[in-house]
This record gives sequence, C-alpha cells and structure tokens, in this order.
Amino acid sequence: NAGVTQTPKFQVLKTGQSMTLQCAQDMNHEYMSWYRQDPGMGLRLIHYSVGAGITDQGEVPNGYNVSRSTTEDFPLRLLSAAPSQTSVYFCASSYSIHWRGGYNEQFFGPGTRLTVL
Amino acid sequence: GESVGLHLPTLSVQEGDNSIINCAYSNSASDYFIWYKQESGKGPQFIIDIRSNMDKRQGQRVTVLLNKTVKHLSLQIAATQPGDSAVYFCAVLTASGTYKYIFGTGTRLKVLA
Repeated sequence: NAGVTQTPKFQVLKTGQSMTLQCAQDMNHEYMSWYRQDPGMGLRLIHYSVGAGITDQGEVPNGYNVSRSTTEDFPLRLLSAAPSQTSVYFCASSYSIHWRGGYNEQFFGPGTRLTVL
Repeated sequence: GESVGLHLPTLSVQEGDNSIINCAYSNSASDYFIWYKQESGKGPQFIIDIRSNMDKRQGQRVTVLLNKTVKHLSLQIAATQPGDSAVYFCAVLTASGTYKYIFGTGTRLKVLA
C-alpha cells in the first residue's frame, strides 16, 4: 500500500490564484480530512469527510472547498489564494471515525508546503 | 468550543530517563484521545490512543494516562532515546457528533545525550 499520498510537495502561488491540492489513499478508509499547520501551532481542521459524497466543515473552512466523489480521493481547492493561506497542508485518513480498537488510527500524508505571495 | 492545550512547549530530557508530556482538554464529553509524534518535515505519526472508558493504556515504551475528572491526559515515554526527539501532539475527538479532531499546540521533546 502507498498509504496517503499528497501532491504537490511544494507550491508557490500569487494572491488570487486558485489551485487544487491532491490527496489519495489506497486503504479503503471511510474518513478523510485536511489540516493546515502554521509555525508553532498544532494542526487545525479545514474540512473532513466520513464517506464518499459526504463532507463537512472543520475549524477553519473559509477560502477552501472539498469534494469526495470516490472513497480514495479527497482534493482540497483554494478558491482565491491569500497570503494568510501560506501554510503546510496535511491530508489524513482513517478506517472509521467510530471506535474500533486500533482501527481509528489516522494516517497522515507527507504534507504540501504552500506559499502565497 | 472544544480547546486542547499542552502544558509545556519544550521538554528536555536526559537520554535513558522517562519523559512525561501533558495535555488538557476542555470538553468533558470528549471520548477519544490520540497522541501523535511529528518529526521535522514529516506528517504526524500515530503513537497510541485511548477511549474515555479507560484510564490507562500501554504500548511499546509508551503509556497514556487519562484523568477524566480533571480533563487531563499524559504521555509517558520510558527510557527516552535520541530517536524520540520530535514534537508531540495530543488530539481529541469531540463527542458532539461532528467527527472533528482538535489538536493541541505540541510539545517539542529534546533528548540530551
């Protein structure tokens, strides 16, 4: 298994540009989520999905859109990039959101480092 | 809303000693807690988890303790090794039915040779 993959690894955007961060998992996980991590801070939840066709907002959803058309893919779209969106973005997945012993482990991707000028 | 805080931003420990990293949460209805390790330039890595119907859970060299009365959990690392140097986060799954994980700000563990 490749686990959770994210592309690109690095990206530089100009203010106002749009782009999509890709996330895929090959573990047939129900739950997928996107986080951003800013220096000296923990991870903040942007959006999450509990299954194909189902998405919901996290703590900091403004400026981002998501969709979940398949179990495997969960892309994050920046609609109009702003310097405040400069951050490292992590995608994560887990088998289920419900307690099933060790099956709740969230697997994280390697991250995308985004700079908005 | 739910908040999660860590008690110390940095913890320095002598190699071979035990490390204790603490975390406090605000929502007494939270029912699932996870500790993650994050090495520089990498994504967080699952260490150990615990559910609210448990007080203690042990893994390999790690133990998580949960005190629901004071809404506090801790991660204990036995015989700390240089490879344990990283940032450690606790995460709490809110019990509001919205399936949101809230992360603390992290404690950087430095292992001194």
